[in-house]
Amino acid sequence: DVKVTQSSRYLVKRTGEKVFLECVQDMDHENMFWYRQDPGLGLRLIYFSYDVKMKEKGDIPEGYSVSREKKERFSLILESASTNQTSMYLCASSLGTSRYSDTQYFGPGTRLTVL
Amino acid sequence: KQEVTQIPAALSVPEGENLVLNCSFTDSAIYNLQWFRQDPGKGLTSLLLIQSSQREQTSGRLNASLDKSSGRSTLYIAASQPGDSATYLCAVFESGGGADGLTFGKGTHLIIQP
Repeated sequence: DVKVTQSSRYLVKRTGEKVFLECVQDMDHENMFWYRQDPGLGLRLIYFSYDVKMKEKGDIPEGYSVSREKKERFSLILESASTNQTSMYLCASSLGTSRYSDTQYFGPGTRLTVL
Repeated sequence: KQEVTQIPAALSVPEGENLVLNCSFTDSAIYNLQWFRQDPGKGLTSLLLIQSSQREQTSGRLNASLDKSSGRSTLYIAASQPGDSATYLCAVFESGGGADGLTFGKGTHLIIQP
């Protein structure tokens, strides 16, 4: 079974702090994604990566950056956390062989609160 | 810009009933459509993926259909059980411009009454 793990289930940070959210997948997937989920807005794509050291902006990249130094690990970075970044953050990965048939597998999520 | 709509937003039915969840999308240029389940406070579990060239997929008591030309999909749940209670999310992976990730609907919150 595919396993996608996220470093923390719950995180509380202060405004202005630099925050790192880590995601690791164990199935040698090429593609990795970061989404945030907010009530009334649903899930929205922040960044994605199709390969090591490669990144592409999603729909809402402002205030975020990402890092993919190794294939299995994709980090989301909040350079200076703000209260409007309080959200549930979900990481996903997919095999990368076919855009038609690739299922995305999700991690358990990190609920981030910025005070 | 792709928009995905799910109707109804919430549904409560007695155990044992068959039910249908609806999903519609505005741009038919998609690679696939996926249905997920999300339990409270948890991540998403993939249920079914329908490729753009396919009409339906089945897994156990679940059957998902896709009519790409009309921009619609349905998730049929047979003989519902209390354990089916969750939020069901529909998402499309599109081939047009813009970000190359899933576009999600806001979900249908399903409660199966014992």
